[in-house]
This record gives sequence, structure tokens and C-alpha cells, in this order.
Amino acid sequence: QKEVEQNSGPLSVPEGAIASLNCTYSDRGSQSFFWYRQYSGKSPELIMSIYSNGDKEDGRFTAQLNKASQYVSLLIRDSQPSDSATYLCAGSNYQLIWGAGTKLIIKP
Amino acid sequence: DGGITQSPKYLFRKEGQNVTLSCEQNLNHDAMYWYRQDPGQGLRLIYYSQIVNDFQKGDIAEGYSVSREKKESFPLTVTSAQKNPTAFYLCASRVQGADNGYTFGSGTRLTVV
Repeated sequence: QKEVEQNSGPLSVPEGAIASLNCTYSDRGSQSFFWYRQYSGKSPELIMSIYSNGDKEDGRFTAQLNKASQYVSLLIRDSQPSDSATYLCAGSNYQLIWGAGTKLIIKP
Repeated sequence: DGGITQSPKYLFRKEGQNVTLSCEQNLNHDAMYWYRQDPGQGLRLIYYSQIVNDFQKGDIAEGYSVSREKKESFPLTVTSAQKNPTAFYLCASRVQGADNGYTFGSGTRLTVV
């Protein structure tokens, strides 16, 4: 069974701090990974994709991939209340395999 | 602007009734997907289609049916055989063969009354 695991949270982080979201996966055939943000009642939106080991930065977001250890993480710097949402991790091996999501709460 | 349009936004179904959810995309994407999301849960794959006139069952296809007569359209019918249809339904698409993420529509919230 191919799985992507995430801690469901909620993860509570003070405004301005770094939020760290983690994801592990079981399918070693997964080559690409994606982080989606989903606000309550809305559809997921793609915020980061990562294809190779190491870090990828985009503004306040940094995605990290370690294929040897089979984990992916997302760091959000200078967290804002508007970052409060559920973050979904997905791995791709022909199709996307989804984690259940981590609920992030940024406290003002 | 290119995108995926789902309609209606809200849908109410009576017991024993079939309802159809619309999904239209103008992104020229080959692959289209239907997901179901229950409160506090992740995405569960219902059906997907990689090419016109072809589709495959996902993990929870029972009680659902689809068609793919046009590249742009992938409607989902929730039949009376689906005993617990109340959920948030999401349609997504991507370029077939490309290792990129999916683009999602805005979703349809279905409620049984």
C-alpha cells in the first residue's frame, strides 16, 4: 500500500515564527512531491513542488526533500494569520498519492 | 483565463435520486480526476480519465459513474446506490505524462436532504 503520512495537527505557531510541516512517504518510486494549501471550505491550491533532493525556496516558503529518508517538509517563515489552513502533501508516481493534511493555526 | 469550472457550487439530493456534478476545463489537459473529501479527511479518488472515451475506477468508485465524451468535460453522477453521498467533491486535471501537480476546480458541496 502506497502511503503518504502527515500529522493531522493542529499545529499552533505564533505569528512571525517559522512553521514546520512534515510528511513521510512509503513509495520509493515517487519522484515528485507537492504541497497544497487548503482553506476551510475551499479547494486545494498548489504552493510548492519539489523534484530533487535538497531545498527549494519560493518567497516565505521552503520545501525540503530527502529521498533516502523518504520525507518531505515545508517551512513557512514569518508566519502570518493568513497562513492558517490545512496543508496537504502529495507524492507522484504516475498519479498523486495524498496525505490527509496538517491543520496549521497561526496565533496573532 | 484558463481553469476548471465545477457546477453547481452547492447541491441537495433527495434519497433515491441521481445527481450529476459538472466539471469543465479549458486548460487542454488530458487527464481529469474526481475526488471526494469528507470533513477533516484527506482526498479520496473516485474516478480518473487519461484520454477521451476512457476512464478508470479509483479507490471509492462504488455508487458513482462518469463519462468522458469530450476532452474538456468529465461529469460525475452520484447514483442512488451511493448510501452516504454527503461530501465535498473536487475535480482536478493535469497534462498527461507530465510530472506536475493537479489543478483543482472550486468544488461542489453535496448534501442529502
